[in-house]
Amino acid sequence: NAGVTQTPKFRVLKTGQSMTLLCAQDMNHEYMYWYRQDPGMGLRLIHYSVGEGTTAKGEVPDGYNVSRLKKQNFLLGLESAAPSQTSVYFCASTGAGAGDEKLFFGSGTQLSVL
Amino acid sequence: QKEVEQDPGPLSVPEGAIVSLNCTYSNSAFQYFMWYRQYSRKGPELLMYTYSSGNKEDGRFTAQVDKSSKYISLFIRDSQPSDSATYLCAMIPLQAGTALIFGKGTTLSVSS
Repeated sequence: NAGVTQTPKFRVLKTGQSMTLLCAQDMNHEYMYWYRQDPGMGLRLIHYSVGEGTTAKGEVPDGYNVSRLKKQNFLLGLESAAPSQTSVYFCASTGAGAGDEKLFFGSGTQLSVL
Repeated sequence: QKEVEQDPGPLSVPEGAIVSLNCTYSNSAFQYFMWYRQYSRKGPELLMYTYSSGNKEDGRFTAQVDKSSKYISLFIRDSQPSDSATYLCAMIPLQAGTALIFGKGTTLSVSS
C-alpha cells in the first residue's frame, strides 16, 4: 500500500517551460488536493477535487491547471512556468465520509524555475 | 486577518521540556481540528485529530480545543530531539467538499 505517490520528486525548469506533476493514490479517496509550501507562507491550497471529473480553485490557483480524469490520479499543470512558482508542491487525499477529514500527503516535489 | 494564525517560531527547548504550540482562528464554522508534524524535506503527517472542545491525549501529546475562544493547542511532554520538526495546525468546517486550512507552522528544535 503506497498511499500517495508524487512524481517527479525534483525538477528544474526554465521560465516559460511547461510541465505536469502527477499525483496517484491507492486508498480509493474521493478528495484530492494540490498545495504549495513556501518559507514563511505555510501550505497554500492551489486546486482541489471532490471527485472524478471535478476540480475547484483554491487560494492560489493562478498559473496552474488541474485534471482528475481518473479517481486515483490528480494532475497539476504549469503551462508557462515563472520563477514565482519555485516551491515545494504537495499532493494530498482524503475520503469523503464522516471522520475522513484526515489528509494523507505525498512526499513532495521540489520545483525550481530559473 | 488570516483565517488561521500560528506563531512560526522558531521555538528552541531543552530535552525533557514541556512544549506548548498554539493556533487561533476566526471562522466559527471550523469543526475539525488537527495537528500535523513535518520533518525536513518530508510531507506532513497527521499527529492529532479532534472534533470537539476539550482535551485529547495520545502518549506524550495532548491536543486541546477551546471553541468558545477559537483557540487550539498542542502540548508535548518530555520533549525529545526526535520531536524537532515543524508543527502545523489545520482545521476544516463541517461542510462537505471543503478543504483543510493550515496555519503557517511552528518550527520546534529540541536539544539534547
